[in-house]
Amino acid sequence: SQTIHQWPATLVQPVGSPLSLECTVEGTSNPNLYWYRQAAGRGLQLLFYSVGIGQISSEVPQNLSASRPQDRQFILSSKKLLLSDSGFYLCAWSHRGYTDTQYFGPGTRLTVL
Amino acid sequence: RKEVEQDPGPFNVPEGATVAFNCTYSNSASQSFFWYRQDCRKEPKLLMSVYSSGNEDGRFTAQLNRASQYISLLIRDSKLSDSATYLCVVNPHGNNRLAFGKGNQVVVIP
Repeated sequence: SQTIHQWPATLVQPVGSPLSLECTVEGTSNPNLYWYRQAAGRGLQLLFYSVGIGQISSEVPQNLSASRPQDRQFILSSKKLLLSDSGFYLCAWSHRGYTDTQYFGPGTRLTVL
Repeated sequence: RKEVEQDPGPFNVPEGATVAFNCTYSNSASQSFFWYRQDCRKEPKLLMSVYSSGNEDGRFTAQLNRASQYISLLIRDSKLSDSATYLCVVNPHGNNRLAFGKGNQVVVIP
């Protein structure tokens, strides 16, 4: 069966500091991968998605970036965090091609102070 | 107009009662429909996909009304463990970008 991991689970960072969140998927090959943010009282916002190694599509202009160095690894980064970057960051995967059902990791709760 | 709209509630439901809520979507060409369940401070988990003919999974029934552009979720014989936020999810464009509603919060009361 497939599993998806995210770390860290929680993070408190000062404004202006860098960020690196990691997501890995096990039990499947060539997945589509996604980064979402869920701010308090708001719905899920798609930040990035990837259909393969090195292929990243950005949905929202911001100070965040994403990379996919390996097939089942997806990284979310920032060089300088803003207060508005606080939120619940969720990684998700879906099978390539025939289905659009997405499965979420446990998430990282980020607080920027 | 938002792609997916839900009444956030909360929907306070006595234990054992039935609760139902709808979600409307704006793009008539939407391809796929889902209900996810999200517990407080946890990730969303797939509850069920919604098919054109409607589908049922135990106490949960989902229906799709393409003419009026809404999907519904009905929970029968509510349990305390059903307390959660139920997210309506739609694929408006037939690609990898799903649109999420803000959720219907359900609180089952003993």
